[in-house]
Amino acid sequence: ETGVTQTPRHLVMGMTNKKSLKCEQHLGHNAMYWYKQSAKKPLELMFVYSLEERVENNSVPSRFSPECPNSSHLFLHLHTLQPEDSALYLCASSQDRYQPYEQYFGPGTRLTVT
Amino acid sequence: DQQVKQNSPSLSVQEGRISILNCDYTNSMFDYFLWYKKYPAEGPTFLISISSIKDKNEDGRFTVFLNKSAKHLSLHIVPSQPGDSAVYFCAAANNNDMRFGAGTRLTVKP
Repeated sequence: ETGVTQTPRHLVMGMTNKKSLKCEQHLGHNAMYWYKQSAKKPLELMFVYSLEERVENNSVPSRFSPECPNSSHLFLHLHTLQPEDSALYLCASSQDRYQPYEQYFGPGTRLTVT
Repeated sequence: DQQVKQNSPSLSVQEGRISILNCDYTNSMFDYFLWYKKYPAEGPTFLISISSIKDKNEDGRFTVFLNKSAKHLSLHIVPSQPGDSAVYFCAAANNNDMRFGAGTRLTVKP
């Protein structure tokens, strides 16, 4: 595997479910990101991790909980989501947090909350 | 607040002609600008970038122009090919922040 991978690619969950999204990067990067992409809206940065430490949390509701056990893996734990949380969730990585210029993205997880 | 704007949600161009995608930003602290390309069911991939010390960067069929005084950048694709059909995102960055536009869907017709 090369680049940035995400699983699952598609997820349908009810509002009372608990699920997790997984991201793995094989690039030796030190920074990882979670973005939300809603239709016709800019990519919204949710969380930033640098060397497994969360460095940014952009006013994201607590029903989204990130976890970065090591520099290669990033999780997004989901619980009691709302239908408006349905979106494409993208993971990205870059060499360093302070050089975010070229980020490498995974294919995304298409999340539908019913 | 939307610091990076792509005011055209879609653009349709004939194969062989030039495609021009536009992007405006509001924060003068941004000093690096990027274009990403996204195909359906794939994540965005980096296409081309430009530093604020330049006003033009060219890579094959792709050229990015930066007008700092107008806080405007554009991506030119010439000649356009059907395989260029995708959503194009512009992004503006500095040392600790990067913001994306909402994207422009380019369709290149054969």
